[in-house]
Amino acid sequence: GAGVSQSPSNKVTEKGKDVELRCDPISGHTALYWYRQSLGQGLEFLIYFQGNSAPDKSGLPSDRFSAERTGGSVSTLTIQRTQQEDSAVYLCASSSSGLTSYEQYFGPGTRLTVT
Amino acid sequence: AQRVTQPEKLLSVFKGAPVELKCNYSYSGSPELFWYVQYSRQRLQLLLRHISRESIKGFTADLNKGETSFHLKKPFAQEEDSAMYYCALRDFGNEKLTFGTGTRLTIIP
Repeated sequence: GAGVSQSPSNKVTEKGKDVELRCDPISGHTALYWYRQSLGQGLEFLIYFQGNSAPDKSGLPSDRFSAERTGGSVSTLTIQRTQQEDSAVYLCASSSSGLTSYEQYFGPGTRLTVT
Repeated sequence: AQRVTQPEKLLSVFKGAPVELKCNYSYSGSPELFWYVQYSRQRLQLLLRHISRESIKGFTADLNKGETSFHLKKPFAQEEDSAMYYCALRDFGNEKLTFGTGTRLTIIP
């Protein structure tokens, strides 16, 4: 089937506005991850979901960032009162958890620009 | 805290020459190491993982626990190897990946 999809592919917003980024994981994948790719910073972990719960939110940079996942499928990352430093590519990945090592499959990303 | 270091942001190699992309990590437990690759206009994808001990597209990587390194190597570079390469670490029992800052590899024809 299709891979991980993300929408929108590009988002330009004004400083102070809220934005929502969407991720559709591979069907049947129970684990879902959000990462952020900033210029020169590599990929930074934000949050991990197993089913609808988030056992690891340690990477969320501030309380302006939140994420939810419903029905064990689609996830939304919300950034409130956006700041210029939030400009980055936001990547979503999914995987099928198991007892053995598994691969994270990445989406194409959402490029967020805060003006 | 775990950390992954890729000292080279840019690396240019002539076609047919050997390639080595460096990766060092700091972690006190038993890590699992990966190399991910992003070709131009494509999404990030897994290249190889240390537990598989396999060669993918001619690339190999050996985990050296003494030197805490996981360098990526290929004996003869090809033009299609030009891409962004990321080294990543995951500790057993944890789910998230910790990535390095990446190395952009350019193969010169």
